[in-house]
Amino acid sequence: DADVTQTPRNRITKTGKRIMLECSQTKGHDRMYWYRQDPGLGLRLIYYSFDVKDINKGEISDGYSVSRQAQAKFSLSLESAIPNQTALYFCATSARRGTEAFFGQGTRLTVV
Amino acid sequence: GENVEQHPSTLSVQEGDSAVIKCTYSDSASNYFPWYKQELGKGPQLIIDIRSNVGEKKDQRIAVTLNKTAKHFSLHITETQPEDSAVYFCAASSNTGNQFYFGTGTSLTVIP
Repeated sequence: DADVTQTPRNRITKTGKRIMLECSQTKGHDRMYWYRQDPGLGLRLIYYSFDVKDINKGEISDGYSVSRQAQAKFSLSLESAIPNQTALYFCATSARRGTEAFFGQGTRLTVV
Repeated sequence: GENVEQHPSTLSVQEGDSAVIKCTYSDSASNYFPWYKQELGKGPQLIIDIRSNVGEKKDQRIAVTLNKTAKHFSLHITETQPEDSAVYFCAASSNTGNQFYFGTGTSLTVIP
């Protein structure tokens, strides 16, 4: 089984709908991240969390919210999806500062 | 904050040739520099990393070099094989920072 699991893997939704992307991990890491990948733009940080009570905005948090339900679970929500949120979304974890990040398989989201 | 630039954005090489991908960073506090490989339909996976107290690191056909003074680091792949075809991302982070900063990615194609 994957250490970092994202669901769903693919999703098509309509403009204005609320959608949640889920991430769970078995690595026991406290640090979890949500990234968005667009062609030519690399990986951009949306939100990150260092424990259940700690949530921080990344560089592109507008239009997104997150919930850290437990150490192992970190969900990303699009409150009212818009077409320019069509992208590949990745969840990642790391053990501590300055150490390797482990990524999930990604969720391909299309907003029509 | 940190700014990581990566070049080239695309690279094609003949099988057996070498490939070099270069990154620059701006924050002198960055001291951990991982490289990730992303195959089609998968999340990025760490292939090699280097810390600022080391100038070069090798792992079989892959090597990374770091020039702290010039603030640049490079990935070298020798004897390339078709399975090396993927998107490669460089990143930078620090022991005091809260996140990874990624380059925009290099799409490497190895031509058989």
